[in-house]
Amino acid sequence: GAVVSQHPSRVICKSGTSVKIECRSLDFQATTMFWYRQFPKKSLMLMATSNEGSKATYEQGVEKDKFLINHASLTLSTLTVTSAHPEDSSFYICSARGFSATVPNEKLFFGSGTQLSVL
Amino acid sequence: GENVEQHPSTLSVQEGDSAVIKCTYSDSASNYFPWYKQELGKGPQLIIDIRSNVGEKKDQRIAVTLNKTAKHFSLHITETQPEDSAVYFCAATILTGGGNKLTFGTGTQLKVEL
Repeated sequence: GAVVSQHPSRVICKSGTSVKIECRSLDFQATTMFWYRQFPKKSLMLMATSNEGSKATYEQGVEKDKFLINHASLTLSTLTVTSAHPEDSSFYICSARGFSATVPNEKLFFGSGTQLSVL
Repeated sequence: GENVEQHPSTLSVQEGDSAVIKCTYSDSASNYFPWYKQELGKGPQLIIDIRSNVGEKKDQRIAVTLNKTAKHFSLHITETQPEDSAVYFCAATILTGGGNKLTFGTGTQLKVEL
């Protein structure tokens, strides 16, 4: 299957600082990337959808100025949590769908997730 | 919008037994139904998927069935092994040319006991 690489896997930061999370599609071009947040023992909550070269579309209730998303190329999307606070602590997961000779467009592949802890 | 319900929330089976997880969806226009396996501290991994023009799909010990009329689909795992222990999520979406969003079920914690 297709590979989506997400870094870092774990980050601890002080309250008020910003944290950037990277998501890369390694063997296919990701036309669309999604960012999710997941609380312990809960399902995935979609935060935003980003298409390469355009502004991200945020779900209702997600602050776009706090969670900055950049999808500058067909293989890279970043999520920056600005001025992080303890309530932002969570597991963040990216996913990508795209196309290649071997990756059907409808399939969605996930990164390995980033555990953010804000002190 | 789409709503996906998933049952059971937890499931314990003995090694070698079968496990079945069921999901229902609300939007009759949904036409793509993937299943994901998530291990602790990791991202979800696509294990099998099915389109609405197919009633059943099988991949070794894993199978998915779809009943469009009743709007439900199920994951079947046969000959379960300890490494099958994980959280499983079903999802549904309408495939379009754009960035179709998946609606996820609430997850099933599967525990395969020795």
